[in-house]
Amino acid sequence: DTAVSQTPKYLVTQMGNDKSIKCEQNLGHDTMYWYKQDSKKFLKIMFSYNNKELIINETVPNRFSPKSPDKAHLNLHINSLELGDSAVYFCASSQDWGERPSEQYFGPGTRLTVT
Amino acid sequence: GQNIDQPTEMTATEGAIVQINCTYQTSGFNGLFWYQQHAGEAPTFLSYNVLDGLEEKGRFSSFLSRSKGYSYLLLKELQMKDSASYLCAVMDSNYQLIWGAGTKLIIKP
Repeated sequence: DTAVSQTPKYLVTQMGNDKSIKCEQNLGHDTMYWYKQDSKKFLKIMFSYNNKELIINETVPNRFSPKSPDKAHLNLHINSLELGDSAVYFCASSQDWGERPSEQYFGPGTRLTVT
Repeated sequence: GQNIDQPTEMTATEGAIVQINCTYQTSGFNGLFWYQQHAGEAPTFLSYNVLDGLEEKGRFSSFLSRSKGYSYLLLKELQMKDSASYLCAVMDSNYQLIWGAGTKLIIKP
């Protein structure tokens, strides 16, 4: 019954490694997002996809690459992890994007710790 | 640049009323959202305002003044479970959500 799910919930890894976070939504929404929330609790948009097309690509290092195989999934792959990547990463989805703003539903978050 | 300002932290007493303010300066405006985030959890939607005025939803109300770039979230009959961070977010002209840093609300018995 989970609306937006993410795996894994916790991820501890070493600098230089490559890791992926998966996200799935079963709400039938058209738009999905990746956010980063740092230690100061500031939510920052990273990417957004609408119907599998990239619509928001904020200034993030190109080590971060999103992939949307279908409308229900948006995965995040991170290459060459750095200490500053440690944060909580939230996936979210919304029914619409653009002229019909709608609320976003968030996944439980993935707490990434890079050592 | 785009900016959302909220107080960092507020304290209130159980059963009382608290008002959390949010001021914004954004490139365009397509609505303002309030979200609640308990520690260690995901944000959850509380309210959406796009027209001026007050929207009431149970114990929570949200007010918007577009001319002043100002909103507030009003919480009545405070309960201990209302201890959380409250995030203000504005949708700009590109339909992108700009988030405030959040207000941590502490409820005391």
